[in-house]
Amino acid sequence: AQSVTQPDIHITVSEGASLELRCNYSYGATPYLFWYVQSPGQGLQLLLKYFSGDTLVQGIKGFEAEFKRSQSSFNLRKPSVHWSDAAEYFCAVGAGSSNTGKLIFGQGTTLQVKP
Amino acid sequence: DGGITQSPKYLFRKEGQNVTLSCEQNLNHDAMYWYRQDPGQGLRLIYYSQIVNDFQKGDIAEGYSVSREKKESFPLTVTSAQKNPTAFYLCASGKREGHGTDTQYFGPGTRLTVL
Repeated sequence: AQSVTQPDIHITVSEGASLELRCNYSYGATPYLFWYVQSPGQGLQLLLKYFSGDTLVQGIKGFEAEFKRSQSSFNLRKPSVHWSDAAEYFCAVGAGSSNTGKLIFGQGTTLQVKP
Repeated sequence: DGGITQSPKYLFRKEGQNVTLSCEQNLNHDAMYWYRQDPGQGLRLIYYSQIVNDFQKGDIAEGYSVSREKKESFPLTVTSAQKNPTAFYLCASGKREGHGTDTQYFGPGTRLTVL
């Protein structure tokens, strides 16, 4: 069965520092991978997605993610974090084999930014 | 503006009452989804619909009901049978990307509190 693991429940970084949020997936076929961000009390906003092609994907707000098939990973990165990046981040994989359109979400990583 | 709307943002109900949460989209997406979010538990799928007049149970459908009479609308009813209905509810619409996966776009959410 497909699954997504975000190993870090909570991460704290200083403003201006680099950020990497980890995501590992389990999926038999070529995965469709997503990163979403959620500010407190808000809905989820799509940051970026990977379907095929270049394994380094650029998203909104200066984020990027790299797909590494050999490591079953899709880690999210940002070179310099801003205080407004404090939020919860969700990684998801498309359960394409079921043809239902469903996504499997990780448990989320909460990012705190220190001034 | 294209997007997904959920109303109301906050909803209070007495225990034992049914309540209906609204979700509307003007993105012309065929698929729509309802999730429940509790602290520390990520997103859990309640119901989803891939096409008008059809819907399927998700992972936690007990105590909930839905309808899909129009492409734009996917209301969720939280019934008195739902044992712990207080939560944050998120609606999403899905754009089919191929290989059975949707890119999902989320509404702002409804926070339901049952007193």
